[in-house]
Amino acid sequence: QVQLVESGGGVVQPGTSLRLSCAASGFDFRTFSMNWVRQAPGKGLEWVAVISYDGSKTSYADSLKGRFTISRDNSKNTLFLQVNSLRPEDTAVYYCARKDLDFDYWGQGTLVTVSS
Amino acid sequence: QLVVTQSPSASASLGASVKLTCTLSSGHSTYSIAWHQQQPEKSPRYLMKVNSDGSHSKGDEIPERFSGSSSGAERYLTISSLQSEDEADYYCQTWGTGIRVFGGGTKLTVL
Repeated sequence: QVQLVESGGGVVQPGTSLRLSCAASGFDFRTFSMNWVRQAPGKGLEWVAVISYDGSKTSYADSLKGRFTISRDNSKNTLFLQVNSLRPEDTAVYYCARKDLDFDYWGQGTLVTVSS
Repeated sequence: QLVVTQSPSASASLGASVKLTCTLSSGHSTYSIAWHQQQPEKSPRYLMKVNSDGSHSKGDEIPERFSGSSSGAERYLTISSLQSEDEADYYCQTWGTGIRVFGGGTKLTVL
């Protein structure tokens, strides 16, 4: 069955960087576009970024461009999100989601807390 | 600008039906949307994709009592025979070139 398992979250200080991972299994990872979505505590879902099946194309939410980088390693069935210059407002659960347009499978999420 | 709008809350009685609405912004009335359910303390779950002609395709193991429909710029999620586990947040989501958008979500309370 399809499984997406995020990792890499934790408590970090403002201004630092973090790399989140999403390990995929149960499907042919290299044929699917993948997304990152985040959810601040008590708030709604916010799309972060999408990457094409082969990593050649990426898009980002306008409000997040510049600090976030989505990438993938198809040889390891893993999706990544690099976040630089972390701010308190980046505190959220970060989910990976499968498929380009309508996200048909979601991971369980990894919590990132940005606090001094 | 591509935006989807949802009512913040809805409620219905156990065993009854409820229809949730997602409204596409002006100029985007032909767009498809997806519905996602998020039960308390859980990650979101994909329910279905709804097209402008009202056709819909559901995700894996989504019960028959969940259905989708359309009218103009509105996309609907209807849940019949409401059960207690249907109490959740429901998000609609749409997409354009290089952009993916979520609505603010509707919190459904089952009375």
